[in-house]
Amino acid sequence: LAKTTQPISMDSYEGQEVNITCSHNNIATNDYITWYQQFPSQGPRFIIQGYKTKVTNEVASLFIPADRKSSTLSLPRVSLSDTAVYYCLVVRINNNDMRFGAGTRLTVKP
Amino acid sequence: DAGITQSPRHKVTETGTPVTLRCHQTENHRYMYWYRQDPGHGLRLIHYSYGVKDTDKGEVSDGYSVSRSKTEDFLLTLESATSSQTSVYFCAISDGTANTEAFFGQGTRLTVV
Repeated sequence: LAKTTQPISMDSYEGQEVNITCSHNNIATNDYITWYQQFPSQGPRFIIQGYKTKVTNEVASLFIPADRKSSTLSLPRVSLSDTAVYYCLVVRINNNDMRFGAGTRLTVKP
Repeated sequence: DAGITQSPRHKVTETGTPVTLRCHQTENHRYMYWYRQDPGHGLRLIHYSYGVKDTDKGEVSDGYSVSRSKTEDFLLTLESATSSQTSVYFCAISDGTANTEAFFGQGTRLTVV
């Protein structure tokens, strides 16, 4: 599975857009890119998945360039409740092997 | 919320004893996973299952075994618990089939003394 690399931490302020970039240089053809959010003392929660180009849902957008070696999670107008750890995963679709990296700890300040 | 239940939620056990954690789902999902999470760290995959009696090792499988005799249950056994296995254990389920969304249980806090 492709190893993922993302920043250890990021700070932002309420109302700003936050972009978290993840690199996955060795991504394979049958790999999907998935992002999760985790609050303290809870299990991770799925945010969004994509294969290429742009995907948007009600909480986030995911941008994936043509070479798929990186992806960017975009959170519009963050609030204090978006303070959490965000994980980027590369998931091989034929066996759904799901491995988490260290994640990015996002802190949203007032 | 997806129907996934972990039991027990908390357990304290002694070094050298066997321990079994249970994950139960009511969603009929194909894939089930066991992870451990240590303070300040991300989740590490222990074992996962892609069907009844079909399991595979993850990143940190040493000292752990799993069994899945029914679709709805995935058991994690610590064969002889050690203090290094003190952790929070999460179970997850996933439908697969081009959908990588997984649903997580509430976690089991295991302390080995």
